[in-house]
Amino acid sequence: AQRVTQPEKLLSVFKGAPVELKCNYSYSGSPELFWYVQYSRQRLQLLLRHISRESIKGFTADLNKGETSFHLKKPFAQEEDSAMYYCALSKGAQKLVFGQGTRLTINP
Amino acid sequence: GAGVSQSPSNKVTEKGKDVELRCDPISGHTALYWYRQSLGQGLEFLIYFQGNSAPDKSGLPSDRFSAERTGGSVSTLTIQRTQQEDSAVYLCASSQTGGFYNEQFFGPGTRLTVL
Repeated sequence: AQRVTQPEKLLSVFKGAPVELKCNYSYSGSPELFWYVQYSRQRLQLLLRHISRESIKGFTADLNKGETSFHLKKPFAQEEDSAMYYCALSKGAQKLVFGQGTRLTINP
Repeated sequence: GAGVSQSPSNKVTEKGKDVELRCDPISGHTALYWYRQSLGQGLEFLIYFQGNSAPDKSGLPSDRFSAERTGGSVSTLTIQRTQQEDSAVYLCASSQTGGFYNEQFFGPGTRLTVL
């Protein structure tokens, strides 16, 4: 079965420190992976997707098929990065399968 | 242009009552999705529409849940005989064509509380 696992429910780091949000997946085909973010009192929005190979707001994510991981990284955390982050896998080119989410808090 | 809108933003109902949740997708988006966000369950897929048809309704938790889409636009999610475990935030999303290259844009959600 397709599954996305985010092992950390909560993650707290200091401003300026590196941050890594972990995501592991299980999928029998070729996955398309995404990171979605939900800031306080805002709607869920796409942060970045594997296929675009882009860096958004300083965040990057590399797909590691050997380790079936898609960890989200940022070298220097900022206070405005505090949010709920969801890793998601696209199944059948239609629905998204989400992980449980990680609440990231950046301490000043 | 306007994003995905949902109504009502909050709904409190009594156990056993029926509720209807509405989603207005972004104009021109042919694909529409319903998800449920609940404590302990995270974000779960419910149903996917392409135009007015629903090729994937595999996430609907029981036959108390149904959804329709008319005119390739507005969608309504209906929950009959609500139960307390139906309490959650119901999210709607739309995308241009439904392929995984197309970003899904989410609405603000409807928070449903079943007493």
